Amino acid sequence: GAGVSQSPSNKVTEKGKDVELRCDPISGHTALYWYRQSLGQGLEFLIYFQGNSAPDKSGLPSDRFSAERTGGSVSTLTIQRTQQEDSAVYLCASSKTGGGYTFGSGTRLTVV
Amino acid sequence: TQLLEQSPQFLSIQEGENLTVYCNSSSVFSSLQWYRQEPGEGPVLLVTVVTGGEVKKLKRLTFQFGDARKDSSLHITAAQPGDTGLYLCAGVGSNYKLTFGKGTLLTVNP
Repeated sequence: GAGVSQSPSNKVTEKGKDVELRCDPISGHTALYWYRQSLGQGLEFLIYFQGNSAPDKSGLPSDRFSAERTGGSVSTLTIQRTQQEDSAVYLCASSKTGGGYTFGSGTRLTVV
Repeated sequence: TQLLEQSPQFLSIQEGENLTVYCNSSSVFSSLQWYRQEPGEGPVLLVTVVTGGEVKKLKRLTFQFGDARKDSSLHITAAQPGDTGLYLCAGVGSNYKLTFGKGTLLTVNP
């Protein structure tokens, strides 16, 4: 598609449940990034995929967070046993190597 | 850890006024990007500055990269209500991973 597509746009889940967030990057973009945006905290890097290289997972806050990217395209971010502090907007971005990021509109996750 | 400090955090001005927002770091970045984000949307790239001392203009927006490539500024001339949004600077590090500042929330009142 023309842009980065994220789904769902909003997700409300109960504490302790698992959630999956999906990102469809721009076709041909080899790099894919996940960031988390909390009120007053700016954008926090989570994970980075580049082509077939091993992902840079250095930003994942705990082992409850994981992500995969299938076929070099679609990515799924999974949060297990959600906690209230996981509530945030999760943003996905893609880029050509060295290029500027194109962000999706994000998934607003609320853990109640 | 590379950190970017943005100031001011909040800015509310009247239409027609000029403003400058700042982005400062103790670290050197290979390049720096500015993004603008509106409510409910992801950030949108405005500009990338690469060379120390570089100045780029985008209509009423002027971006400057410091000589030492540690700081940057965004100047808006004759601000309009459509300029309202969250302005984010981001330093480009290794593997093109971005480190973001916390942003400047600009409100331009008609």
